[in-house]
Amino acid sequence: DQQVKQNSPSLSVQEGRISILNCDYTNSMFDYFLWYKKYPAEGPTFLISISSIKDKNEDGRFTVFLNKSAKHLSLHIVPSQPGDSAVYFCAAIEFETGANNLFFGTGTRLTVIP
Amino acid sequence: DVKVTQSSRYLVKRTGEKVFLECVQDMDHENMFWYRQDPGLGLRLIYFSYDVKMKEKGDIPEGYSVSREKKERFSLILESASTNQTSMYLCASSLFVEQYFGPGTRLTVT
Repeated sequence: DQQVKQNSPSLSVQEGRISILNCDYTNSMFDYFLWYKKYPAEGPTFLISISSIKDKNEDGRFTVFLNKSAKHLSLHIVPSQPGDSAVYFCAAIEFETGANNLFFGTGTRLTVIP
Repeated sequence: DVKVTQSSRYLVKRTGEKVFLECVQDMDHENMFWYRQDPGLGLRLIYFSYDVKMKEKGDIPEGYSVSREKKERFSLILESASTNQTSMYLCASSLFVEQYFGPGTRLTVT
């Protein structure tokens, strides 16, 4: 059963506007959440992360928001640029299991239109 | 910079062939992972390893095996390739949480 879900397979946004990518999860024990960006024919690269004890983390144009009560996180990109066009994966980890494996969502393809 | 390399970017194999996918990382990471990426299914974990000679099954281990004889190298083996194993294969390594990915191998089984 998918513990991390990205219900929007694709999103198109005009250059300069805000992109909002959403992610839902079912496991309330997740301690840490990450966003990865993936270009075609390349491996995913780490973008930004957030601990479960925080509700917001910002890095330049990228901000991740976490709503623990709703089991929901979102990635905001402001302003969006054509180079942001990629597939975005959210991922989560539960430290208590002792395992270091991430649970990934199915990805959202973002297209930023010039 | 962490570097994770994979032996091939593109590979075409026939049904029934034995296939080896190699992954090497240069950061002395304990943890290594093999995923496959398919449209609409995201990244699915095949196998992972926390140490040399140690392996754990992920979500979809059927039809695959792995080998980790050295800390820096993690191999994925398809004992008898089938057409449903046509996919993008991604290797990753990590020290703690953040995983670093290789460029991927696009495998086509005909």
